[in-house]
Amino acid sequence: DGGITQSPKYLFRKEGQNVTLSCEQNLNHDAMYWYRQDPGQGLRLIYYSQIVNDFQKGDIAEGYSVSREKKESFPLTVTSAQKNPTAFYLCASSLPGQLRYEQYFGPGTRLTVT
Amino acid sequence: KNEVEQSPQNLTAQEGEFITINCSYSVGISALHWLQQHPGGGIVSLFMLSSGKKKHGRLIATINIQEKHSSLHITASHPRDSAVYICAVSIYNTDKLIFGTGTRLQVFP
Repeated sequence: DGGITQSPKYLFRKEGQNVTLSCEQNLNHDAMYWYRQDPGQGLRLIYYSQIVNDFQKGDIAEGYSVSREKKESFPLTVTSAQKNPTAFYLCASSLPGQLRYEQYFGPGTRLTVT
Repeated sequence: KNEVEQSPQNLTAQEGEFITINCSYSVGISALHWLQQHPGGGIVSLFMLSSGKKKHGRLIATINIQEKHSSLHITASHPRDSAVYICAVSIYNTDKLIFGTGTRLQVFP
């Protein structure tokens, strides 16, 4: 079955620790995205990557880092510099070209930092 | 003012009722999306449309480009339709999506 997997579903960390969220897709999509969702707000773009070894900052990139060493994988690191890391994180991917507007979402990771 | 506004924020209905969720946007778009988010958090794409109307089962989505407005209709609603429905727009000539804050729908038996 093709799809996007994110692990773990729930993640708990102490303040000051870096944490890496996993995102893997087997849809052969070129583009991948990371979003953050907070209560009462729309999803906001953290980082996106249109091709392997390339990525761009989204609207709220501060305190986050990413890598795109493989087409299938786009891990997100939440660093200790992120002031409010507790949130629901969603990964998505899309095809290139005209089909790029439709994004496929993973199940999400809920991160709690105390 | 948000670039994508949805109404209502919350909606409750009895099983079988006809439901309408509205979305207005203020930017140039290439496409508009309706997404469904279940309590577990995962998001499923319901529709992507750039003009007219699309239907899938009991769900119908319409868009009026001139008025910058879209509606999602659910006919013969069912408790399993309970979810958050999110409107998002693809900004014209970019790969970026801007999301509305969602409409929480609860359908009671």
